[in-house]
Order: sequence, then C-alpha cells, then structure tokens
Amino acid sequence: EVQLVESGGGLVKPGGSLRLSCAASGFTFSNTWMTWVRQAPGKGLEWVGRIKTKTDGETTDYAAPVKGRFTISRDDSEKTLYLQINSLKTEDAAMYYCTIERSGGRGLDVWGQGTSVTVSS
Amino acid sequence: SYDLTQPPSVSVSPGLTATITCSGNKLGDKYACWYQQKPGQSPVLVIYQDNKRPSGIPERFSGSNSGNTATLTISGTQAVDEADYYCQAWDSNTAVFGGGTKLTVL
Repeated sequence: EVQLVESGGGLVKPGGSLRLSCAASGFTFSNTWMTWVRQAPGKGLEWVGRIKTKTDGETTDYAAPVKGRFTISRDDSEKTLYLQINSLKTEDAAMYYCTIERSGGRGLDVWGQGTSVTVSS
Repeated sequence: SYDLTQPPSVSVSPGLTATITCSGNKLGDKYACWYQQKPGQSPVLVIYQDNKRPSGIPERFSGSNSGNTATLTISGTQAVDEADYYCQAWDSNTAVFGGGTKLTVL
C-alpha cells in the first residue's frame, strides 16, 4: 500500500525554525517527484514546492511566498522527504501535506494525512 | 503570477448534475486537475490531465478543459459528493490551486 506519513509539526514562535518529515512506503521513492502543499485553517490549498528525482537533478521549485525561507530535500536511502522551514511567520501556520507528484499533468495522486504547524508567541 | 478562479459555492439536488468551473488565462493550454476534500480529510485527486479519472474514482466524475475554463462535472450527484473541490494547474514549473468550491448537495 502506498503511504505517506508526515511528522515534525508543532508550536513554534515567530522567527523560529522547524523541520517536517514525510516517511514514504509502498512505492519506489527514489523514482518519484515529491511535493509539499499547505492549508491554513479554514482556507484553501497552497502549493509550497517540489523536489524532482536524482535522475532529474533533484531540482527544487518553490512558491514565491516561501522562496528563500523553505528548503525541500530528500533522503532516498531512508525514503524520507523533508521540509526545512526558517524565519517562521504567523502566516505559515497551516496543515502541511506531502504528496506524490506524477509528472506530465497527472496530478498529486497520493497525499499524507498532514502535520500541523502553529506559529504563535 | 498565475491565478485560477472558482465560484465559492455550488448547490445541487441529489441525482442531478453539478458543474464546477475553474477559470484562468489560456487554461486550456495547460493540464488541469481536480481534487475533492471532505472535512477533516486530506484531498483526493478525482481528475487529472483535464479529463482522466484515477483508479477508484466513480464514473460520475468527469472533466473538460478548453479556452480559459476547466470544468468538473458530477453526474447523478450523491450526498457523499458534498465536499470542497479544488482545481489545479501548472505554470512555469509551479503548481497553482484555485480558491476552492464548496459543493452542497441538498
């Protein structure tokens, strides 16, 4: 069974840092593009960024609001995706989901259950 | 930046057809996807590449995309289809979501 399990969320002060993890199983992680999507409480979905496979250069792309503060990385040997969040702002408070991205317009076809980030002093 | 616009809400009676639109500049030149999200749950992909259904998605879900508008159609809408629906497309290596549409089945 394909599964994504996020962890690492919690309460952080503004300006703080956090690293989210996403443990993958049931598919060939190293061959798969991975994406982070977030959803603020009561709001819509917002794409955060993605990382391609090592074969595709492990290229990363980020949404404008997070560029320079967020870093996506992957450990193929551990089948784990990461999201490093620095200089946290109150507007970063959200549920963070990791997803599998199928290239060529085939969508984000598997989602984890999400991990919640709260930003408050 | 690229924007996708959806109506905030759509209502439909059980058994009838629900239509949810998503508008964006030359959206028809891009692939559109649709996601369903029920309260307290993670989103689920229901349409990809404009009109394809992932395995396990009922046939009553269909999609189209032309010009500036992508459309999600739910035929014979059921109470279980009540949810938020989001369109999504790619622009310049970034993914963009529409604001979401709350579908009410009443």
